Formats: sequence, C-alpha cells, structure tokens
Amino acid sequence: ETGVTQSPTHLIKTRGQQVTLRCSSQSGHNTVSWYQQALGQGPQFIFQYYREEENGRGNFPPRFSGLQFPNYSSELNVNALELDDSALYLCASSPQFAGELFFGEGSRLTVL
Amino acid sequence: AQSVTQLGSHVSVSEGALVLLRCNYSSSVPPYLFWYVQYPNQGLQLLLKYTTGATLVKGINGFEAEFKKSETSFHLTKPSAHMSDAAEYFCAVRNSGGSNYKLTFGKGTLLTVNP
Repeated sequence: ETGVTQSPTHLIKTRGQQVTLRCSSQSGHNTVSWYQQALGQGPQFIFQYYREEENGRGNFPPRFSGLQFPNYSSELNVNALELDDSALYLCASSPQFAGELFFGEGSRLTVL
Repeated sequence: AQSVTQLGSHVSVSEGALVLLRCNYSSSVPPYLFWYVQYPNQGLQLLLKYTTGATLVKGINGFEAEFKKSETSFHLTKPSAHMSDAAEYFCAVRNSGGSNYKLTFGKGTLLTVNP
C-alpha cells in the first residue's frame, strides 16, 4: 500500500513568485488536508478537501488555495510568496473527513 | 477555540530513564487528543490517540498517555527511553464533533536521549 507522497521535496522561490505543491493521497482515502509547519513550530491547519470540495479552512489568506482531483490527489497553490511563507508544507490524507490522518514527508519551501 | 500547550520545548533524558512529555489542552467540547512523532526531515507519525472510553491509551513503541479531564492534560510517558526515541513530539487536539478534521497542534517538544 502506497502512503502519502508529496512533491517536490524541496524548492526555493523568490518573493512575489507563485508555487504549486502536489500530494497523492493514500489508496482508498478521499480526504486531504494541508498544514504549514514553520521552523520550530507545530503544524498549522491550512484547509481540507473532501470529495473535491473545500471542507474547512484555517486562518490563511486567500492567496493560499487548493484543488482536489477526481483521483483524490491534491494541489496547494500559494501566490505572491512572502518570506514568512518559508516552511514545511505537510499533506495528510484520511479515509473520510473525520478519519485518522496519515501524513506525507512534506515539501520544504524556502522563499528568498 | 481549541489550544494546546506543551510544557518544555526541549526534554533531555538518559537512555533507560523515564520519558515524560507534558501536554495541556483547552477545548469547549469533549476533545479527541493525539500524540505525533516527527523524526528529522520526515512527516508526522501517529503515536497514539484518545477518543472515548479508557483514559489510559497505549501506543506504538512503548508509549502511553493518560487523559485527565479534571487537569485538562494528556501527558505522554515511556518507562525506559531508547536512543531511537530521539525526535520531536507534538500533542494535538480536535473537536469530537464538527464537519472537518482540523487538528490544533502544540509547538512541540524535542526529546534528546543521552547514552
């Protein structure tokens, strides 16, 4: 059984640029959540997608957006990157919107 | 609103010693509580969880935690530390109800194990 996979693992962007991060959910999981983990902090909830629709959002501005595809994979898009967006972005899938979360290894974004 | 406080950003123990990582939560409704472990350059792995029922919860790798409602605590313990336990540990809370699976995490406790 393949777990949650994220790509890319590392990337460097400059202020003002846009970035897309990708996540393949675990087989049989229809819900994907995204978290931001800044250095030295716990993960913070960005949003969750359930059956291709946003199903809850944390305290993040609209320049953070997402998609979920029919195969339940997901993308996180961040526009107009700021220095404070530098973080580890974690994707987690679950078998239903209230099920246990299974995390990927994350995408580490550095904004210069 | 929910919140989690982990007391001690860094805990250091000797190999074979007791591990105690503290977590206090705030929640307006009955909580579900979790402990996750994060090894360097990796994602989060679930150690154990409390939802309902028995308040003493056993997890993987010999860890356990006890839900104490009166103290709003969910401390993580392990009787004897191994070198392989060195990692960052996160306590998290979510509402037992609600329509999404938002977890609120603490800031984490870095555990080092000395030989």
